[in-house]
Amino acid sequence: GQQVMQIPQYQHVQEGEDFTTYCNSSTTLSNIQWYKQRPGGHPVFLIQLVKSGEVKKQKRLTFQFGEAKKNSSLHITSTQTTDVGTYLCAGRRGAQKLVFGQGTRLTINP
Amino acid sequence: GAVVSQHPSWVICKSGTSVKIECRSLDFQATTMFWYRQFPKQSLMLMATSNEGSKATYEQGVEKDKFLINHASLTLSTLTVTSAHPEDSSFYICSARGGQREWNTGELFFGEGSRLTVL
Repeated sequence: GQQVMQIPQYQHVQEGEDFTTYCNSSTTLSNIQWYKQRPGGHPVFLIQLVKSGEVKKQKRLTFQFGEAKKNSSLHITSTQTTDVGTYLCAGRRGAQKLVFGQGTRLTINP
Repeated sequence: GAVVSQHPSWVICKSGTSVKIECRSLDFQATTMFWYRQFPKQSLMLMATSNEGSKATYEQGVEKDKFLINHASLTLSTLTVTSAHPEDSSFYICSARGGQREWNTGELFFGEGSRLTVL
């Protein structure tokens, strides 16, 4: 079945450093979504990417969808302590269910 | 944006008892809700899709007789963990597609989650 792999599993950075998490699917996706889950909290929607090669920005966050629509990345510039949490990608193939990656847990040293 | 409320947030029960978790869409009608299970430091695993007025669709490996799902109204879905055992201890979380505006974006709105501990 469809699998969504996310790397790295953990990332620890100094405040101010950049951070990137990668999401790879075993199959071509219709769209990919990104969520942020704070420690002890629930996932909160960040963005959805639909088009091949699409790039979207939200302040310090940049989201990319690969040309083949099988991978995606989230890049955070100049991290802040408020960026702490687990970043989850989720891919959908056609009308099938959303499949979540394992998430990348970001911790930040202030 | 759309809001999904989940109750209870925490529950501790004895082995063999049943626990009911409620998931409500507060400001929109949700014909479909999703139930996930999340183990510590792991991702969300879809357990079942709850459909209003019809039977839930369970994922492979999820026991439908153990995890009873009822979606009796457009704003409420319940998950009942029957005859709970310690291995059922986990974080259970529901989600729903949002209202008309959010439906187009495809985003899911998640409840706050329910942490179940079975002694």
